[in-house]
Amino acid sequence: GAVVSQHPSRVICKSGTSVKIECRSLDFQATTMFWYRQFPKQSLMLMATSNEGSKATYEQGVEKDKFLINHASLTLSTLTVTSAHPEDSSFYICSARDWRRGDQPQHFGDGTRLSIL
Amino acid sequence: DQQVKQNSPSLSVQEGRISILNCDYTNSMFDYFLWYKKYPAEGPTFLISISSIKDKNEDGRFTVFLNKSAKHLSLHIVPSQPGDSAVYFCAATFDQGAQKLVFGQGTRLTINP
Repeated sequence: GAVVSQHPSRVICKSGTSVKIECRSLDFQATTMFWYRQFPKQSLMLMATSNEGSKATYEQGVEKDKFLINHASLTLSTLTVTSAHPEDSSFYICSARDWRRGDQPQHFGDGTRLSIL
Repeated sequence: DQQVKQNSPSLSVQEGRISILNCDYTNSMFDYFLWYKKYPAEGPTFLISISSIKDKNEDGRFTVFLNKSAKHLSLHIVPSQPGDSAVYFCAATFDQGAQKLVFGQGTRLTINP
């Protein structure tokens, strides 16, 4: 089946630093990638949608200057959490699909546990 | 406002029996629904989906039922196997093509031998 690789799986860093998370589709072309955030015991919340070569579309309440998304190729999207603070600590997960393949579902990475000290 | 709700945080079922996971939604504009399964330390894996024009979709041991009038869907797993123990998420979208998903909170299913 389709494989999406997300890296790193876990990161711990100091407040004020920027953290980059990578999401790669390994065996298909990801025309669309999604970034989600999950707080403990809550559902996955969509943060933004990115189409290859276009600017990301952010959901209401998500700061685009805080969460920078780049989707420059059909196999790679990155999420950069800029000037991270403890409240940004969360589980971030990406997914990818090829919208040209009709009803193909999203395929998810394994997520990144971000802890800001 | 939680548009997709899974009111049972956990469910325990005997191996070989039927597991029924439930999901309710509030927005009648949703037109496509999906179930994902998630093991610890892994991302969700797609299981099965259903379009709003159908009321049932079956794939092997998994069947999803949709009751639009009640805004309710359910996932049936029969027979349940130990490997089915995982967290199950239902998700809904307004547009099957765009697939901006709204997820429920998840139900942890435990299959007892």
